[in-house]
Amino acid sequence: SQELEQSPQSLIVQEGKNLTINCTSSKTLYGLYWYKQKYGEGLIFLMMLQKGGEEKSHEKITAKLDEKKQQSSLHITASQPSHAGIYLCGADAALYNTNAGKSTFGDGTTLTVKP
Amino acid sequence: NAGVTQTPKFQVLKTGQSMTLQCAQDMNHEYMSWYRQDPGMGLRLIHYSVGAGITDQGEVPNGYNVSRSTTEDFPLRLLSAAPSQTSVYFCASALRGNGYTFGSGTRLTVV
Repeated sequence: SQELEQSPQSLIVQEGKNLTINCTSSKTLYGLYWYKQKYGEGLIFLMMLQKGGEEKSHEKITAKLDEKKQQSSLHITASQPSHAGIYLCGADAALYNTNAGKSTFGDGTTLTVKP
Repeated sequence: NAGVTQTPKFQVLKTGQSMTLQCAQDMNHEYMSWYRQDPGMGLRLIHYSVGAGITDQGEVPNGYNVSRSTTEDFPLRLLSAAPSQTSVYFCASALRGNGYTFGSGTRLTVV
């Protein structure tokens, strides 16, 4: 069973619009990573959230961890074509306090930003 | 600082051939992992290691072997390639409790 579920699977937005991507865990979540992948390339680490209620920002991207809901959201403000790509959430089992080193990822959300 | 280096970037194999995908990192990271990425299947963990001499199976280990004789290197061996192993392979490394650094990937086609 999928441990991390992302929604939506894909998203098309007009440049300048805001958007939100969600990542829900089937297990208690002690922390979460967000990555971005451009087509044909490796994943780029965006940020890590470790505490319930923690919120971090990287340029115009903000992510928050809601530990009680076992969910994280990634919000992009005033989207630009450079934001286009695949966004993946991930967790290392160490963050679940078990099986350190065993990582899992959501299936990704493909973001298209129309100029 | 090279980060995570994967070689080769592209490879075509015939069914039944064997090969090794190389992965090296120069960041002294404890954790190293191999993933395959397929359309509609997301990123799936093949094998991982939490330190030199220690490896464990991930979600899809069949048909692959790994070893971790040094902290820096984590090669992935395909014993007898099958068309189902056509995929993009990523290696990644991390310090415990930190985000993973990914290599640029190896695109493998098995014909």
